Amino acid sequence: GEDVEQSLFLSVREGDSSVINCTYTDSSSTYLYWYKQEPGAGLQLLTYIFSNMDMKQDQRLTVLLNKKDKHLSLRIADTQTGDSAIYFCAEYNFNKFYFGSGTKLNVKP
Amino acid sequence: GAVVSQHPSRVICKSGTSVKIECRSLDFQATTMFWYRQFPKKSLMLMATSNEGSKATYEQGVEKDKFLINHASLTLSTLTVTSAHPEDSSFYICSARENRQQATNEKLFFGSGTQLSVL
Repeated sequence: GEDVEQSLFLSVREGDSSVINCTYTDSSSTYLYWYKQEPGAGLQLLTYIFSNMDMKQDQRLTVLLNKKDKHLSLRIADTQTGDSAIYFCAEYNFNKFYFGSGTKLNVKP
Repeated sequence: GAVVSQHPSRVICKSGTSVKIECRSLDFQATTMFWYRQFPKKSLMLMATSNEGSKATYEQGVEKDKFLINHASLTLSTLTVTSAHPEDSSFYICSARENRQQATNEKLFFGSGTQLSVL
């Protein structure tokens, strides 16, 4: 299957920006996604980006895509304690979704 | 956004019993649903792709006789863990892909998950 990798942990202070990084292997992916998972819950779609774009902004969220390096990032501005969760990047290819291992974001007050 | 309902949210059962988990798309039709398994502090492992009106497609290493999938309608898929054992204890999550005439982008909507504990 496809290989999607993320760092496991990120800790930031409330009010700072968070940047969560993801790398993927398949350059033919059409869409790339960011999902949020709170404890004991399913995944919530946060945002997505089409592979021919390099940036997408949605309120506090900014997605950057470097297709050449197969690198995707999610920036959360003014991080709040409610943003503490696990964030998964995912790529869509060959009719399937492939998920990274998830990055646990801890926001300290 | 689209809503996927998964039930039950938590189940505790004895070893050897079977457990059924339901996944419903509430406000959209889904020809395709997916079943994932998530281990603690691990990513989602795709178990199988559930196709309405046909047999499910299982990923390598997933026993189809152990994990029975039925997708009888465009809004309901079920996963039955047969003769459950402690090693089947896990968090199971379903997801559904909305049927769209012009798929400008694919979106996957998730249920809230089922925590299965087998004693």
